[in-house]
Amino acid sequence: AQSVTQPDIHITVSEGASLELRCNYSYGATPYLFWYVQSPGQGLQLLLKYFSGDTLVQGIKGFEAEFKRSQSSFNLRKPSVHWSDAAEYFCAVADTGRRALTFGSGTRLQVQP
Amino acid sequence: EADIYQTPRYLVIGTGKKITLECSQTMGHDKMYWYQQDPGMELHLIHYSYGVNSTEKGDLSSESTVSRIRTEHFPLTLESARPSHTSQYLCASSVTSGGGADTQYFGPGTRLTVL
Repeated sequence: AQSVTQPDIHITVSEGASLELRCNYSYGATPYLFWYVQSPGQGLQLLLKYFSGDTLVQGIKGFEAEFKRSQSSFNLRKPSVHWSDAAEYFCAVADTGRRALTFGSGTRLQVQP
Repeated sequence: EADIYQTPRYLVIGTGKKITLECSQTMGHDKMYWYQQDPGMELHLIHYSYGVNSTEKGDLSSESTVSRIRTEHFPLTLESARPSHTSQYLCASSVTSGGGADTQYFGPGTRLTVL
């Protein structure tokens, strides 16, 4: 069965600093990977996804992620964080059989002024 | 992007009550899902549906039931709520795509508290 690991439970960065959130997956076939963001009390918003092709994927709000098959990773990056980026970030891998998602435990991002 | 609506957004209810959490989407997506999320935790799939009259249980065992009588509507019902059902319930939908995996779009969630 597939699994997703987000090693960092909580990250704090200063506004304007760069950000990298880690995600490692375990999946036997070609992975379909997603990053979602969840603001407090809200549902999940899709940031970006990787299905195939270029391993560097651009998303909304200035986020990007790089798929590295050799490291089984799909890390999320942003060059300059804004205070509004404070939220919970979830990495997920798709189960292409059921078309459902398996989520990591999430990384909570705090942004300091 | 899909428009997915969940009602109510917040619900506080006593033990033993029957409740139905509503989920509707207006994009005609064939697949719909229910996830359960405890505070600060990951989401766990509890139900999914491939289309009308099709429902399956997910990875996390749940005492809730679902129905899919119309494409746009996927309600979740608890016949007798208990404090252990206190959680956030997120609904999602997706459309079959040719890329090998669907993209799921989520509603705002229902936060349920059972006293």
